[in-house]
Amino acid sequence: GAVVSQHPSWVICKSGTSVKIECRSLDFQATTMFWYRQFPKQSLMLMATSNEGSKATYEQGVEKDKFLINHASLTLSTLTVTSAHPEDSSFYICSARPGPARAFFGQGTRLTVV
Amino acid sequence: QKEVEQDPGPLSVPEGAIVSLNCTYSNSAFQYFMWYRQYSRKGPELLMYTYSSGNKEDGRFTAQVDKSSKYISLFIRDSQPSDSATYLCAIQGDDYKLSFGAGTTVTVRA
Repeated sequence: GAVVSQHPSWVICKSGTSVKIECRSLDFQATTMFWYRQFPKQSLMLMATSNEGSKATYEQGVEKDKFLINHASLTLSTLTVTSAHPEDSSFYICSARPGPARAFFGQGTRLTVV
Repeated sequence: QKEVEQDPGPLSVPEGAIVSLNCTYSNSAFQYFMWYRQYSRKGPELLMYTYSSGNKEDGRFTAQVDKSSKYISLFIRDSQPSDSATYLCAIQGDDYKLSFGAGTTVTVRA
């Protein structure tokens, strides 16, 4: 299957700082990527749709100023958690698809804000 | 009502047993049906995908879709301890967004 790489796999940051998470499609181009958040023992919650060359589309209730998304190329999308607080601690996962179906996911980033 | 309903389990079976997982969905516009396996602290791994009613087999895995009943299933034959994971059904509409089930935690006992 297609490969989606996410970096870093885990990060610890101090409250008030910003953290950037990268999502790359390694063997295909992706005009659209998706960012999810997952709490322990819960399913994935879609945060936003990242569109190459244009603004991201955020789901209801997701603060666009808190979670900045940049999709600068066909293989890279970044999620920046700005002014992180402990309640932002979570597992963040990106996905991309080489075709109409078969979405592939990155390995996830575990963010801990202390 | 959630768009996709999945029993979270947990489900525990002995090694070699058949694992049966299922989801129901409410939106008849959904077009693509996927099953993912997720190990703890890892991203979901695509196991199966299909877009039509009927069965699709891949090794020990069989995915079944019944669009008339809005019901999808995943069967794992000859289950192994390495199959212990959380299994998520995901359904996609024509907006390419995925709606996930809650995930079923499966333990295969050696």
